[in-house]
Amino acid sequence: AQSVTQLGSHVSVSEGALVLLRCNYSSSVPPYLFWYVQYPNQGLQLLLKYTTGATLVKGINGFEAEFKKSETSFHLTKPSAHMSDAAEYFCAVTGTGFQKLVFGTGTRLLVSP
Amino acid sequence: GAVVSQHPSWVICKSGTSVKIECRSLDFQATTMFWYRQFPKQSLMLMATSNEGSKATYEQGVEKDKFLINHASLTLSTLTVTSAHPEDSSFYICSARDESRYSYEQYFGPGTRLTVT
Repeated sequence: AQSVTQLGSHVSVSEGALVLLRCNYSSSVPPYLFWYVQYPNQGLQLLLKYTTGATLVKGINGFEAEFKKSETSFHLTKPSAHMSDAAEYFCAVTGTGFQKLVFGTGTRLLVSP
Repeated sequence: GAVVSQHPSWVICKSGTSVKIECRSLDFQATTMFWYRQFPKQSLMLMATSNEGSKATYEQGVEKDKFLINHASLTLSTLTVTSAHPEDSSFYICSARDESRYSYEQYFGPGTRLTVT
């Protein structure tokens, strides 16, 4: 069984500040991890993913995440927030064998000027 | 590449009627598609896995007779909400897996907003 916990339903930052969105996972098999972003009334867009290999993964729009097996974490970061980053962010996990995606509850990122 | 479309993007229907939502993979073939439901300010809840040429696999608690899924071709899956009621109002999102890429990534459609009056 797999699960995802996203700490903090809302995160507020100022424009230009560091963005840190937390994701911890539980998986009985080697996990494949994803971060998706959702803007209002839209579908999900993939930001980045970890499958195998390098544990520091770079994605679109300046985001990156680091897979830490010892901490069962996959936190999402961005050095400098932009107003356009305000959206809902979802962490998700799946395993080998084309299993279904399991989503976290989401974190709403608010960016103030 | 890897674009998924949904139609319609929004629909309003009267209680008791049925509504069909289409999910298409535009530039790849998908033997497996997924249907999710999302309530306001909540996460995505997987409703069912749609398999081309076979019956869909429904998640526990999802009424298969109410939410009919048909995966008629490698590029099209449909979700029909039968005898819709106001509590069925929600945001429905589909996704598809491009298995030719041997990737575990799912590509999501833009969603369909269903309002039942």
